Amino acid sequence: DAGVIQSPRHEVTEMGQEVTLRCKPISGHNSLFWYRQTMMRGLELLIYFNNNVPIDDSGMPEDRFSAKMPNASFSTLKIQPSEPRDSAVYFCASSLGTRGLPNYGYTFGSGTRLTVV
Amino acid sequence: AQSVTQPDIHITVSEGASLELRCNYSYGATPYLFWYVQSPGQGLQLLLKYFSGDTLVQGIKGFEAEFKRSQSSFNLRKPSVHWSDAAEYFCASGSSASKIIFGSGTRLSIRP
Repeated sequence: DAGVIQSPRHEVTEMGQEVTLRCKPISGHNSLFWYRQTMMRGLELLIYFNNNVPIDDSGMPEDRFSAKMPNASFSTLKIQPSEPRDSAVYFCASSLGTRGLPNYGYTFGSGTRLTVV
Repeated sequence: AQSVTQPDIHITVSEGASLELRCNYSYGATPYLFWYVQSPGQGLQLLLKYFSGDTLVQGIKGFEAEFKRSQSSFNLRKPSVHWSDAAEYFCASGSSASKIIFGSGTRLSIRP
């Protein structure tokens, strides 16, 4: 298995622009998570899906952030409009478990490093 | 509320020396416990996990961890570190009713 695949690996964008991050989970995994990692705040869970349905989006910082999972093999995290404080590494992870519960641990992608200037 | 504490922000050990990274969790029930490693520019890789049973668990890359309920700890150990072990290490905790919470991480440096 190729693991969790994220694209792009790096993204540099200007403030105010729309940014879309993409994730392909491991085939067969039914839970998908979006995390943000910064030096100041560490790893923050933004949102997670179970069977393509958003279960908990309480970590999404504000309305500028949105996430979708149209099918079991693809998810997007969109920031519109982007701001410099959104600069971070965004990780996608997937898991085989019930409603995001940690039955087997999570498998992480390599992340997208976002820089908003 | 569920929480995970890694009291050491940065640790430096000599190559070949033993290693212990500390982790304390706060949760009423028996938690699921994990250690992940993150190399620079990479995602997090699962080293080992504890769900139940034997409190000493073996993981990949020669790491092990011991669950001590009385101390609410799940410390990571390795008898002899290699330069390639330099990375950030994250302890994480979950339960049958909640998602995984990560600690703030411990950065490990290896002295030649």
